[in-house]
Amino acid sequence: KQEVTQIPAALSVPEGENLVLNCSFTDSAIYNLQWFRQDPGKGLTSLLLIQSSQREQTSGRLNASLDKSSGRSTLYIAASQPGDSATYLCAVDDDKIIFGKGTRLHILP
Amino acid sequence: KAGVTQTPRYLIKTRGQQVTLSCSPISGHRSVSWYQQTPGQGLQFLFEYFSETQRNKGNFPGRFSGRQFSNSRSEMNVSTLELGDSALYLCASSLDTSGVISGELFFGEGSRLTVL
Repeated sequence: KQEVTQIPAALSVPEGENLVLNCSFTDSAIYNLQWFRQDPGKGLTSLLLIQSSQREQTSGRLNASLDKSSGRSTLYIAASQPGDSATYLCAVDDDKIIFGKGTRLHILP
Repeated sequence: KAGVTQTPRYLIKTRGQQVTLSCSPISGHRSVSWYQQTPGQGLQFLFEYFSETQRNKGNFPGRFSGRQFSNSRSEMNVSTLELGDSALYLCASSLDTSGVISGELFFGEGSRLTVL
C-alpha cells in the first residue's frame, strides 16, 4: 500500500532564505509526482509535475526533483517571500492519487 | 480558459440526509477525480472518472458514489450523511490522453460540507 510522507509538518523561515521541502513514498511504481500549494480554505494550485521518467522540473523560483529508486522528492524554493506562505502538498499517481499530509510553510517578513 | 468549477461552495446538512456535489472540468479535460479533505486524514482519493466510466476508487464506503456525464461534468453523491462526512470535497480535472492519470491535475475551490 502506497504511503506518502512529508517532513517537516511545519516550517518557519525568514524572508529571503532558500528552503527545501521533502516528500517520500514507499512504492516506486508511480506514473508521476506532483507538488501543490494550498492557501487556507482554498483549493490546490499545481506547482510542478514530474513524470516518472524525469529527474527534475523547474518553474521560476521552484525546482522539484524526483528519485524514484529511493522514493524521494524535494521541492526547492529559492529566495523565499511572504507570499510563499501556504501548505505545500505532494501527491503520487499509481492509479490512485495519494497525498502526503503537507508542510505548512510560514515565511517571516 | 475557465478553471474547474465546483458547486455549491458551502452547504449544511443534517445526519441521514443525502447530498449531491457538482464539478465542471476544464474544457477538453476528460478525467475527473474527487477527494475528501479533513484535518485529521488530510486529502483522500475518492474516485476517478474517464469518459463516463469509473476507473479507480478509493477506500470509502458505498454511501459515496459518483458519475460522469457525456460532457465530462461529474457529480458525487453521499447518502445517509454522518457527522464524520463533514469535510472539504475537492474535484480535479486532467487532460488525460493515455488512458491513465498521467497529466497535471487542476483543482476546483471545493465544496465545504457541514453535517449537523
